[in-house]
Amino acid sequence: QLLESGGGLVQPGGSLRLSCTGSGFTFSNYAMTWVRQPPGRGLGWVSVITGSGDATYYADSVKGRFTISRDNAKNTLYLQMNSLTAEDTALYYCAKNALHCTTTACYVEWGQGTLVTVSS
Amino acid sequence: QSVLTQPPSVSGAPGQRVTISCTGSSSNIGAGHDIHWYQQVPGTAPKLLISGYNNRPSGVPARFSGSKSGTSASLAITGLQAEDEADYYCQSYDTSLSAVVFGGGTKVTVL
Repeated sequence: QLLESGGGLVQPGGSLRLSCTGSGFTFSNYAMTWVRQPPGRGLGWVSVITGSGDATYYADSVKGRFTISRDNAKNTLYLQMNSLTAEDTALYYCAKNALHCTTTACYVEWGQGTLVTVSS
Repeated sequence: QSVLTQPPSVSGAPGQRVTISCTGSSSNIGAGHDIHWYQQVPGTAPKLLISGYNNRPSGVPARFSGSKSGTSASLAITGLQAEDEADYYCQSYDTSLSAVVFGGGTKVTVL
């Protein structure tokens, strides 16, 4: 199970940190990903982190503003979001990368999402 | 504008077969990257439906199948049922963008 938290209303230029707690599996064995979905629109990949946390990758739209991290001792994934704009308004999902998708990542489990609204 | 192009909507009567196309390019589908499909019932999180273009996770009905040819892929639903009404997304990786990419999504309506 994946459970996100930390969403809310933030002003443009502000910051927010999202969390995602995993349970029922060995958290450190899995790469984890953030995917977002603006209201009424499609899915967009945001960032991924390896199981050990030693490698991270970002979509160009968030590079330099967002930071993905994890604490395997707490089974928790994070997304630090800075310099937020209205275009970042979305439902943010954390997702567990499937072990069997070795050449192209796929996401076998998703949280329920946490809503981030950037508005003045 | 999504890197992977899907029709906005498809519809069919119960029992019919519908297909959803996912058109990419030489930097994603055409480069040999796997295609995955997700189903999203409104108000819920996406669910992995097909991975590696035709592998169904446990619990996914056999009426869902995937295929791939060149720079395109397709999801077929045979024997359409009312519970299949949802949004469907294709997903792959784009070498030029160095990023995971999703299609824009297709809304399936059961008439």
